Amino acid sequence: SQQGEEDPQALSIQEGENATMNCSYKTSINNLQWYRQNSGRGLVHLILIRSNEREKHSGRLRVTLDTSKKSSSLLITASRAADTASYFCATESRGGYQKVTFGTGTKLQVIP
Amino acid sequence: EAGVTQSPTHLIKTRGQQATLRCSPISGHTSVYWYQQALGLGLQFLLWYDEGEERNRGNFPPRFSGRQFPNYSSELNVNALELEDSALYLCASSWGVDETQYFGPGTRLLVL
Repeated sequence: SQQGEEDPQALSIQEGENATMNCSYKTSINNLQWYRQNSGRGLVHLILIRSNEREKHSGRLRVTLDTSKKSSSLLITASRAADTASYFCATESRGGYQKVTFGTGTKLQVIP
Repeated sequence: EAGVTQSPTHLIKTRGQQATLRCSPISGHTSVYWYQQALGLGLQFLLWYDEGEERNRGNFPPRFSGRQFPNYSSELNVNALELEDSALYLCASSWGVDETQYFGPGTRLLVL
């Protein structure tokens, strides 16, 4: 079963606006990662946040992690048309033998 | 540095046939992961190979199998193809304890 569930499933915003996507997961994790996928191609790694971190920044990306709520958010500021893609969270669970589990994704459309 | 490569890019088969998909990881990476992404869906974990051994597999029938070669490249074999096997098959690689997975562009399999 999917460990991560993204919300919303789809999001459409105007260029320049901020986009926020959320990810909830079920079990304790070592880290959580966000990936981007452009139009049915391979995934590109965006950012990794460890379980002992609460917030991380990378350029226009800001990721937060709340382990008590088992949730994470990805904020993309000042969105651009090129940010149009699907965004997936991926969790590495503590214990177990499968390293990383991907969520169902949020499809972001940025309208120029 | 070359990224993860996959071949072929597209593959069209008929029901009942067998398909072989190939993946070459980034040089130095020992782990290879296979995922299935059906149209519009998230990534479903298929197989994980590390150092030539199958470490884990997802909830897929035995007709999905694979192997990892001494040079760490990998093959995914799908026997007795069914229409619902039509999907984008993504391969990713990682190095040792590095949690980040680097994805290839995928092989799009169409079963007619």
